[in-house]
Amino acid sequence: GAVVSQHPSRVICKSGTSVKIECRSLDFQATTMFWYRQFPKQSLMLMATSNEGSKATYEQGVEKDKFLINHASLTLSTLTVTSAHPEDSSFYICSARGGGQAGQNQPQHFGDGTRLSIL
Amino acid sequence: GENVEQHPSTLSVQEGDSAVIKCTYSDSASNYFPWYKQELGKRPQLIIDIRSNVGEKKDQRIAVTLNKTAKHFSLHITETQPEDSAVYFCAASPRPGGSYIPTFGRGTSLIVHP
Repeated sequence: GAVVSQHPSRVICKSGTSVKIECRSLDFQATTMFWYRQFPKQSLMLMATSNEGSKATYEQGVEKDKFLINHASLTLSTLTVTSAHPEDSSFYICSARGGGQAGQNQPQHFGDGTRLSIL
Repeated sequence: GENVEQHPSTLSVQEGDSAVIKCTYSDSASNYFPWYKQELGKRPQLIIDIRSNVGEKKDQRIAVTLNKTAKHFSLHITETQPEDSAVYFCAASPRPGGSYIPTFGRGTSLIVHP
């Protein structure tokens, strides 16, 4: 159980393009989803947290107009990198967590990640 | 905010040896401590977790210990195998401010030599 599907797994596109990444919880309802960015051989850097039906909460230093997050349903969140530039190239990983009040300290379940390369 | 320190950054062992990775945290309100394993290019996967009402938890070759007083917790892997080679991340939750968001350590690259 607790499967999270993330698509696409890899994107290569030109500078200026907007890229949408989807994150779906397949067998549970994800009340909270997280978006991370990971640089090579480094830890997971939290970009934003989204709760279903609410606006995402962005970490300090993350541009919300650059990284648009939508969490419209209990099983789907999307991250859109708008007008992507080479410096946005990275590994983006989503995770999802279910449960309500009791689920707030439950484990996160991660997607497979998206390797984004901007030329 | 919460600060999670993880050591060592790299750990190299021979197959069959034990491996220990240690993490410390700063916020005494943290009460949930998961450990994730991430193989190269793949997703982090939860391997074990522990809550603050327990001092130790074991699952086959993997165990986690928690010392709330000293604010540190450790991952122990016994009888290591080459397939244990991966990056391991510890985390502590919640972080200060009341949000149930984990703070991750910087990761430990475990290399198990056959």
